Formats: sequence, C-alpha cells, structure tokens
Amino acid sequence: AQKITQTQPGMFVQEKEAVTLDCTYDTSDPSYGLFWYKQPSSGEMIFLIYQGSYDQQNATEGRYSLNFQKARKSANLVISASQLGDSAMYFCAMRGGGSSYDKVIFGPGTSLSVIP
Amino acid sequence: SQTIHQWPATLVQPVGSPLSLECTVEGTSNPNLYWYRQAAGRGLQLLFYSVGIGQISSEVPQNLSASRPQDRQFILSSKKLLLSDSGFYLCASAGRTGELFFGEGSRLTVL
Repeated sequence: AQKITQTQPGMFVQEKEAVTLDCTYDTSDPSYGLFWYKQPSSGEMIFLIYQGSYDQQNATEGRYSLNFQKARKSANLVISASQLGDSAMYFCAMRGGGSSYDKVIFGPGTSLSVIP
Repeated sequence: SQTIHQWPATLVQPVGSPLSLECTVEGTSNPNLYWYRQAAGRGLQLLFYSVGIGQISSEVPQNLSASRPQDRQFILSSKKLLLSDSGFYLCASAGRTGELFFGEGSRLTVL
C-alpha cells in the first residue's frame, strides 16, 4: 500500500536561513510522482514543486528544491532564504503508478514557523 | 491554468441532515477530480476521485458519496450527516503532471 510519512510535526527556522522538510514514501510501483504543497493559515492549498520518479535531476522552483533520494524513498523539500511568508503547513504528496496512477495521497504535514 | 469553484464555503448542519457540496472546474477538460477531507491541524484524507463522467473511486468506507454528472462537475453528498463528518472539504483537479489545483474549501460543522 502507498504511504507518505512526514516525521516533523513542527519546525522553526530563522528568517533568511535554509530549512529542510522531510518526506519519506512507500510504494511498490516503479513509476510515481511526488509533490509538495503549502497551506497558509487561510486554508488554500498551493502547489510548490513536482518530482517524477524517473527524473534524473532534482526538481527546483525558485527558492524551493526537492532532494530526491530514490533508493531511500525520500523526497525532502528544501526552502532557501526563508521568508516570514513561508510560515505555513507543508504537505508531501504522491501520485502512484500502475493501478494507483490516478490516486493522490498526502502526508500528515509539517508546520513551519519562520522567526524574524 | 485551472480555476476550481467550490461551494458553499461554510455550512452548519444538524446531525442526520443531508449534505451536498459542489465543485466545478474551468480551464481544462476531462480532468481527474478529487474530494479530500481535512480535520483541524491534520493532513488531507482522500475520500473520492474520478477519472471521468460517472466514474467514482471510493477510498474510505463512510456515509458519504460522490457523483460526477458532467465532465467538470464533482458533487459530494450525504443522506444523513454524522458528527464525525465535520471538517474542511477540499475539491481538486489534476493538471498535466498530476499536480492538483484546489478549490477554496468548504468548512462543514455538524452539530
């Protein structure tokens, strides 16, 4: 069965510092997609970054990068130069492969607080 | 990009009453559509997803149901609400690589 684990319920980071949010996943499918989303206190869900299981390079989007370690089944999100507006919940998600291709599941989330 | 319209934004319903949450999508055709529920301070629980009109996959046994009567319309329903149905319900539509575009959510309180 597919599963996403985020072991950090809450994280603090100093403004302008980098922070890594952990995500590990479990799937038996060779083809899958990994995503990170941000949910501010307003409740909206914002897509941040995508990594395909066959992608050779780690994904990057502006200040966001994904540290993809396929053998360890981890897909950690790195936020560089943290800003106060980065304070939010962050969710790792996975789209499966095979019969689970259309199914997208989420991890429990990590609450990030950026300290001035 | 896609725009997801979801309503109502907030509702308070008594136990045993029916429920209907509606979601419509603009800016794409034949998308995969999803309903998630989020308890306070928790992650997103996948309830239903649909790959086409009339095609519904249910993930969690419960007293909720979903329907997709049109290509870009997804409805979440219940005949009789339970207290445990309270939560924040999110509709989402998938993009080209599977990234999800979300509606603004519907906050349901069952009393």
